[in-house]
Amino acid sequence: KAGVTQTPRYLIKTRGQQVTLSCSPISGHRSVSWYQQTPGQGLQFLFEYFSETQRNKGNFPGRFSGRQFSNSRSEMNVSTLELGDSALYLCASSVGQLPNTEAFFGQGTRLTVV
Amino acid sequence: DQQVKQNSPSLSVQEGRISILNCDYTNSMFDYFLWYKKYPAEGPTFLISISSIKDKNEDGRFTVFLNKSAKHLSLHIVPSQPGDSAVYFCAASRGSSGDKLTFGTGTRLAVRP
Repeated sequence: KAGVTQTPRYLIKTRGQQVTLSCSPISGHRSVSWYQQTPGQGLQFLFEYFSETQRNKGNFPGRFSGRQFSNSRSEMNVSTLELGDSALYLCASSVGQLPNTEAFFGQGTRLTVV
Repeated sequence: DQQVKQNSPSLSVQEGRISILNCDYTNSMFDYFLWYKKYPAEGPTFLISISSIKDKNEDGRFTVFLNKSAKHLSLHIVPSQPGDSAVYFCAASRGSSGDKLTFGTGTRLAVRP
């Protein structure tokens, strides 16, 4: 059974640009959530999608957005990149809505903003 | 506002001894708690969870203890093995469907051979 796949694994962008990250959940999983991991801040929740609907949103500016497609694949977009957006972005999928089902994480996308 | 806190950024333990990782939370509405383990270059993997109706949950070498009155949980690993060296995150939620997971900042465990 394939795990959660995140692409790309590494990305370098310039301040002011925008970026789109992709997450393919485990087959049959309908929930996808996104997290930002930075040193000293742990995993900060960005948003969760379930059946193409955003169910929850963290405390991030509107520059961070996402969507989920009918096949449960999800994309996250960050516009007008800032240096502070440099982080590891993790996607997790689960069968049902969090938190009552186990979340399986991908390896993450390491975004560096220069 | 960090609602889930792991005040020890790192912990070093001798192989075979007990590792105790601590986690405190401030939101009294949290009633479901989880521990995740993360190796470098990998995503976190689920380790063990506990509901607030329990005060202990055990799975092999891993035991999670919950002290609701103190808003404190701990993960015990006995005996510790070098392969346990990783970053451990605790997470909490209100348990109701649709609530997000709130993670702590993580504790890096190093198990010395």
